Amino acid sequence: EVQLVESGGGLVQPGGSLRLSCAASGFTFSSYEMNWVRQAPGKGLEWVSYISSSGSTIYYADSVKGRFTISRDNAKNSLYLQMNSLRAEDTAVYYCAREGYDSSGYFDYWGQGTLVTVSS
Amino acid sequence: AIWMTQSPSLLSASTGDRVTISCRMSQGISSYLAWYQQKPGKAPELLIYAASTLQSGVPSRFSGSGSGTDFTLTISCLQSEDFATYYCQQYYSFPRTFGQGTKVEIK
Repeated sequence: EVQLVESGGGLVQPGGSLRLSCAASGFTFSSYEMNWVRQAPGKGLEWVSYISSSGSTIYYADSVKGRFTISRDNAKNSLYLQMNSLRAEDTAVYYCAREGYDSSGYFDYWGQGTLVTVSS
Repeated sequence: AIWMTQSPSLLSASTGDRVTISCRMSQGISSYLAWYQQKPGKAPELLIYAASTLQSGVPSRFSGSGSGTDFTLTISCLQSEDFATYYCQQYYSFPRTFGQGTKVEIK
């Protein structure tokens, strides 16, 4: 069974940093592209970042470029999101999402999400 | 970036109704479109990809159509478990983008 479990969310002050993790199991993690998607309270879905299966190709949304860093450790079956210079507008539930087979671009499995709250 | 206009934002319907949700792109994306269902407090779930391919395990009352710039999600006979919010998503190019969402509520 495919499982994605996020952790690392919490309350952080504006300007602070946080590192999210996503532990993957039930599939060959190193064969799949991964993404982070977020959802502000009561709002819609916003794609945040993409990383290829090898980690060699990375993309970011303009709203987080230069502040967030996506990475992965295929030996540990884990995906990460380092978030720096956090702003109030980064407050959201952050989901890790697996892309479908063969670099499809749609998201076939999602984690349960971890809440990040940026507030003083 | 490719902009998406999803409509309506709110849809009031009754069990057994046929409902249709539209997603229009700012430029052509071939068939690189997915549809998701999200229930309160839960992660989104994939319903349809490649505009019209049903994800494994998704009931056949869900269907998708369209290509290029105009796409449609249809629920042929609304069930109680279908009251939720639906999102379209394009994966033709980066940045990936989602529609604004359509909440299907009980009439």
